[in-house]
Amino acid sequence: EAGVAQSPRYKIIEKRQSVAFWCNPISGHATLYWYQQILGQGPKLLIQFQNNGVVDDSQLPKDRFSAERLKGVDSTLKIQPAKLEDSAVYLCASSFQPGPGNTIYFGEGSWLTVV
Amino acid sequence: DQQVKQNSPSLSVQEGRISILNCDYTNSMFDYFLWYKKYPAEGPTFLISISSIKDKNEDGRFTVFLNKSAKHLSLHIVPSQPGDSAVYFCAAEGTGNQFYFGTGTSLTVIP
Repeated sequence: EAGVAQSPRYKIIEKRQSVAFWCNPISGHATLYWYQQILGQGPKLLIQFQNNGVVDDSQLPKDRFSAERLKGVDSTLKIQPAKLEDSAVYLCASSFQPGPGNTIYFGEGSWLTVV
Repeated sequence: DQQVKQNSPSLSVQEGRISILNCDYTNSMFDYFLWYKKYPAEGPTFLISISSIKDKNEDGRFTVFLNKSAKHLSLHIVPSQPGDSAVYFCAAEGTGNQFYFGTGTSLTVIP
């Protein structure tokens, strides 16, 4: 079974530029998450989708971050314009279905450096 | 508001000895807990989990203990191996399939 796929793996951009990350979850997984992990910290949830609907985006900086999950499968996360403090690993994860006792599976992450 | 806390940023253990990683949480509504392992330049990988109806779950060299009254869980690795050197994250599942992560503990197993 293929895991969570993410691209690009690494990206370096200048501040005020834009960047987009793509995620393909594990086949059949209804729930998709985007996490931000800053060096030395734990993953922080940015947005959670259930199929193609947003469950929680309370910690997404909506003035610069946007995400979509058209057709309930792939997802993209966009940052525009980027700030220096956006330098982090952006982790996509997925889980099979709602309900307690779920395990979420992560992709390898997209590493962003804003200079 | 950090609902899941790992107060030890790092831990060093001799190969063959036991590694104990600790995690505390504040929300009594959490009912499912997970441990993830992360190597540099990779995403976290699932290691082991435990439901709140249990106090222990074992998988090979890895055992997770849960003390609900103390809101504390721990991961025991025995015997520790150099390949276990990684960052370990504790996570708790809240309502709506939301997961809350600790800040991680970096384990170094010394050969």
